[in-house]
Amino acid sequence: GQQLNQSPQSMFIQEGEDVSMNCTSSSIFNTWLWYKQDPGEGPVLLIALYKAGELTSNGRLTAQFGITRKDSFLNISASIPSDVGIYFCAGQLGGSQGNLIFGKGTKLSVKP
Amino acid sequence: ETGVTQSPTHLIKTRGQQVTLRCSSQSGHNTVSWYQQALGQGPQFIFQYYREEENGRGNFPPRFSGLQFPNYSSELNVNALELDDSALYLCASSPPGTSGGLETQYFGPGTRLLVL
Repeated sequence: GQQLNQSPQSMFIQEGEDVSMNCTSSSIFNTWLWYKQDPGEGPVLLIALYKAGELTSNGRLTAQFGITRKDSFLNISASIPSDVGIYFCAGQLGGSQGNLIFGKGTKLSVKP
Repeated sequence: ETGVTQSPTHLIKTRGQQVTLRCSSQSGHNTVSWYQQALGQGPQFIFQYYREEENGRGNFPPRFSGLQFPNYSSELNVNALELDDSALYLCASSPPGTSGGLETQYFGPGTRLLVL
């Protein structure tokens, strides 16, 4: 199935560090969303983006909808231990009904 | 307010068998979407149900079928199970007036299916 290119695949953080991850696609998206998934749970929506160039924050999280509509990034500032988990980007292609296309995820772990 | 619930939480089947997974949507939600999430992958859209009818389908074969009931709960049925069907199956519900809108899909915890 079709998926987005999400990077990095995994990263280790120390508390207090800023974190950045991004998604790219060869297709134009009308909507970008970012989710976090904890073990044994379904994804939880963090931020939704609707317009090219849009920059939206949710607490320490900031996400942007790329100008070309083919990419998006998510930044987490001053990370804390509970930020650990898997982050997914998701987009909707124009004209599709209800379905989301997800990236493969970025796994955030704490540096030992 | 009760969130999206799914049953069972875990299930083991053998190749060729059939399986039914269940989802109770969040109170007041009338649209249900199903996703398959293989290990280490993002979720993949299977189909969506609205008013008891299929309202969009991803790239999955016909042996993946579904139902939605008048109380908006839903079932996912998979026939002739294959080893590659092993995955976490997620259900998401959306409230009225959103057309199953992306940002309003609330996910359940999933059913983990293992096919041996």
